[in-house]
This record gives sequence, structure tokens and C-alpha cells, in this order.
Amino acid sequence: SQKIEQNSEALNIQEGKTATLTCNYTNYSPAYLQWYRQDPGRGPVFLLLIRENEKEKRKERLKVTFDTTLKQSLFHITASQPADSATYLCALDSGGYQKVTFGTGTKLQVIP
Amino acid sequence: NAGVTQTPKFQVLKTGQSMTLQCAQDMNHEYMSWYRQDPGMGLRLIHYSVGAGITDQGEVPNGYNVSRSTTEDFPLRLLSAAPSQTSVYFCASSYSRSMNTEAFFGQGTRLTVV
Repeated sequence: SQKIEQNSEALNIQEGKTATLTCNYTNYSPAYLQWYRQDPGRGPVFLLLIRENEKEKRKERLKVTFDTTLKQSLFHITASQPADSATYLCALDSGGYQKVTFGTGTKLQVIP
Repeated sequence: NAGVTQTPKFQVLKTGQSMTLQCAQDMNHEYMSWYRQDPGMGLRLIHYSVGAGITDQGEVPNGYNVSRSTTEDFPLRLLSAAPSQTSVYFCASSYSRSMNTEAFFGQGTRLTVV
């Protein structure tokens, strides 16, 4: 069956370090993969999109990689700040709107 | 631009009651969808619409109805609320039917069915 896995446990890191979050998937061949940020009591907010033919995408302190062989995406936040503390969701599709699937998210806590 | 607006933010229903969750967007997006978010389950698609007058079922449609009479509005109706529908509901809109563009989410409606 199809599955998306994100670290279910919270990730705690020291301010200034690089946070790396993982999104693994099985039995998908996604054309796109997205990362969202969700704060408590709020809706998800889009961060980055990466396509299947792209290996890496950057936006300011954020970097996403996409390895279709390993079936994995890594999400990096460099020089992390306490304001980066949130839950991060990955989402992918297989080319159809109704096939969008979200991971359960990883909660990141950046400690001052 | 207000983006995606959902009302109400909180709601408590008794089992068997019906209600409508409102969703409106002002970005002229053709594609809108409803998700529910439960602990440990991730966001799950309930219904979606690819334009006014066109709707279809997602992963978990049972117990919910939708309609899309205008581009802006996409209400979600609970026909007869059940405790299993206790959840946080999110409406989203996007320019494209696939994920090659970002989705914009509303603030959510926290629904409790007692």
C-alpha cells in the first residue's frame, strides 16, 4: 500500500544549527513534492515545491532535496531560529488532484 | 486579499445535528478542497472541486456533502453529525489541479461532536 513517513517524534535542535527533516514514501511515483509549515491552531502554509526532475531547491535558509531512487525528500533549515519551531508537513501527488497525500508531519523545536 | 476564509473557527454539535462549514476564497482559484486533520493521521481529502458546478469525492467523503455554485465559495455540509466527525477541518484552494502550484489553506474549523 502507499505510505508517506515523516519522523513521528519531535525534533529538538539548538538555535543556529541545521535542522534536517525526512519524508520517505513507498509505492508512489510522485511528479511533485511539497513542504508546508503548520503552527498550532493554524492552517498549513506552503514553503517549497520540488519536481521529480529536480534534485534540489533552495529558498533563503530552506533547502529541499528529492531522491526518487531512495524515495526520499530531505528538508533542511540552516541557521535555525526559535521562530522556526513548528510542524512541517510533506505532501506528494502522482499527477492527479485527488491523489494528493500528506504526511503526518514532524514537530520541530528550536531551543535558544 | 483575504486568501481563504473559513467560518466558524470553533463549533460544538450534538450527534445527529447538521451544519455547514463555510469556505470562501478571493484569489479566483478554480480548484478548492476540504480536508480533515486528525492526530496521527495527517490531512485527508474529503471532497474537492475543479470549478463551479463540478465536485468529486476524495479519500473520506462519507457523511459529507459539498456544492460549488460560485468560484469563490465551497461549503461543506455535515448531514447528521457523528462523534467520528470530531476533527479539525481545513479548506484549501489552488490555481492548478495538480501540485505544481501551492495550495492556500484557511485557518481551520475545530469541530467537536458530542
